[in-house]
Amino acid sequence: NAGVTQTPKFRVLKTGQSMTLLCAQDMNHEYMYWYRQDPGMGLRLIHYSVGEGTTAKGEVPDGYNVSRLKKQNFLLGLESAAPSQTSVYFCASSYAGFSYNEQFFGPGTRLTVL
Amino acid sequence: SQQGEEDPQALSIQEGENATMNCSYKTSINNLQWYRQNSGRGLVHLILIRSNEREKHSGRLRVTLDTSKKSSSLLITASRAADTASYFCATANLGQGGKLIFGQGTELSVKP
Repeated sequence: NAGVTQTPKFRVLKTGQSMTLLCAQDMNHEYMYWYRQDPGMGLRLIHYSVGEGTTAKGEVPDGYNVSRLKKQNFLLGLESAAPSQTSVYFCASSYAGFSYNEQFFGPGTRLTVL
Repeated sequence: SQQGEEDPQALSIQEGENATMNCSYKTSINNLQWYRQNSGRGLVHLILIRSNEREKHSGRLRVTLDTSKKSSSLLITASRAADTASYFCATANLGQGGKLIFGQGTELSVKP
């Protein structure tokens, strides 16, 4: 039981490049989330999904797209990376709705955009 | 937008001492959760307290919630060097679809 895994762990991009971050969970959770963490800012929700085939915007969705084609996977895409997207990205999942259950986090992806 | 304000931002104590961290929030909540983050790692859930609860315990952790003051505290008793981490409160707010809003965190350092 691996829990929540994220790929890759580190990545350096040049401005304008694109990339996809992959999140996978093996706990059969319905809900999945993408956050970014910046120094002194806590975690901010980018996008989330309440089930396979669904996605919704969070607090800071601009510049990102997501897809949830399979229940166990949640992909975060950057179409044209900008230096402001330099951050640590965390994926999380939970069994049910946001408020009633704990969220399980992946180890994070550290992204630098030059 | 940040909901939780945590205090202090950083705390340094000796092993064996108690550590208290506070979290204040602005809007009505469904529940409040505390998470720990070790350096370079993901967040780990510690405890969840519902809006109708006032106190909750889990091992060496004690969480209180005062909805009238819109504040919560996390107490770690008999701290250990392994408790060194950042601690975040997260609120599930009414009228926000229950999304979790995280505070900025308290960085705890426990010296052996």
